[in-house]
Amino acid sequence: DVKVTQSSRYLVKRTGEKVFLECVQDMDHENMFWYRQDPGLGLRLIYFSYDVKMKEKGDIPEGYSVSREKKERFSLILESASTNQTSMYLCASRVQGISNQPQHFGDGTRLSIL
Amino acid sequence: AQTVTQSQPEMSVQEAETVTLSCTYDTSESDYYLFWYKQPPSRQMILVIRQEAYKQQNATENRFSVNFQKAAKSFSLKISDSQLGDAAMYFCAYRSRRGGGADGLTFGKGTHLIIQP
Repeated sequence: DVKVTQSSRYLVKRTGEKVFLECVQDMDHENMFWYRQDPGLGLRLIYFSYDVKMKEKGDIPEGYSVSREKKERFSLILESASTNQTSMYLCASRVQGISNQPQHFGDGTRLSIL
Repeated sequence: AQTVTQSQPEMSVQEAETVTLSCTYDTSESDYYLFWYKQPPSRQMILVIRQEAYKQQNATENRFSVNFQKAAKSFSLKISDSQLGDAAMYFCAYRSRRGGGADGLTFGKGTHLIIQP
C-alpha cells in the first residue's frame, strides 16, 4: 500500500512566522500535490510537482511556495503566515504515466495561525 | 477551467437502505477521469470508485456504483445497503487526461453523509 506521511497532524503558529509542512511518500511516485481543505469549499490545489525541483502553480498559490529536493519529499512553505491560512492541508502523490491511477493522500495537517 | 458541483451539502439515510449522492461537472474536454473519495472523521481521504470518461460502462465496487451520464456531465454515486462505517464526507473529483499541470484534481465541495441506525 502507498504510504503518504505528513509530519504533523496539528500545528499552531503565529502570524508572520515562516511555516514548513512536510510530506513524504514511499512509493517512488513522480507526482506530488498540496491541497488546502476548507469547510464548504472542498479541496483546492495549491501546488503540484512532477519531478525533483520541478513545480507548477495550482489554483490558489498566493502566499505559498514549495520545495522538492528529493523525489520522496514535498514541502509546503508559508513564507509569512497569516490568519487566513488557517486550514487543513493535505498532501497527495501519484504515479506518473499510468493515467488511470488515483492520487493517494496523507492524513492531513490542521494548521492554526494565531 | 473545470468545475465540479455537489448540490447536496448533507444527506441522511437509514442503515441498510440505498442512497445516491449527486455530482455534476463542467468541462470542454472529451477525455478525463472522475473519482469519488470518502473522508471519514479520521481525515484519511479514501478512494471509493473511479470512472474513465471513454468507458460507457458504469464502474462498480462492491456496494458502491456510479451512474455516469457523459452527455449530461453527471456522475452520481449510489451506496447500497448503507452501513454505519459509510458515514463520512464524500467528494466528487475530476482529473483531465492531458497531464502536466492538469494532473491535479478539481473537487466538489463535498456531501456529508449521515447513517441513521
